[in-house]
Amino acid sequence: GQSLEQPSEVTAVEGAIVQINCTYQTSGFYGLSWYQQHDGGAPTFLSYNGLDGLEETGRFSSFLSRSDSYGYLLLQELQMKDSASYFCAVKPGGSYIPTFGRGTSLIVHP
Amino acid sequence: EADIYQTPRYLVIGTGKKITLECSQTMGHDKMYWYQQDPGMELHLIHYSYGVNSTEKGDLSSESTVSRIRTEHFPLTLESARPSHTSQYLCASSEGSGYTFGSGTRLTVV
Repeated sequence: GQSLEQPSEVTAVEGAIVQINCTYQTSGFYGLSWYQQHDGGAPTFLSYNGLDGLEETGRFSSFLSRSDSYGYLLLQELQMKDSASYFCAVKPGGSYIPTFGRGTSLIVHP
Repeated sequence: EADIYQTPRYLVIGTGKKITLECSQTMGHDKMYWYQQDPGMELHLIHYSYGVNSTEKGDLSSESTVSRIRTEHFPLTLESARPSHTSQYLCASSEGSGYTFGSGTRLTVV
């Protein structure tokens, strides 16, 4: 089976940098994705890492190390609107269906 | 700009009623999914489809059924709603690495 571990909550102040980690155990591996979900809203796709290394999209970056079964989402220049839940999701080998983590609630303080 | 639409957005119904949650996408994606999510919790896969006339059950048994007669349409039906079905239901579609989610249907069974 598949399992993912991510912190349940992270707090930070506006303007800071925060890193949300995700470790996973899967049978085979296709890639690691990140999603953002505001309270009462739908998840929105942020990034995908299929290979090792860093992917940058504006203030957000995502990193993957397949040998360590580990990835992270890095958020820079935090803004109040970044307060949301962030889910990592892994696509195991041989499947199009990702497994989602429990989500990390990010709280940004002024 | 949402390309996947769910209706209704909110629904309150009585126990024992039959309901259908609608989901349509305009992106031509073959793969579509239904997830159930309680507030602050992870997403649980209920059903998925790889294309027309292809449907499979996910990890969570929710006494629901789906159909996929047209590529763009993937409705979810609860034959007899129960209070335990109270939750948010999210429809998604995918082509490649990322999912696109609908805005969700927040269902309350009284």
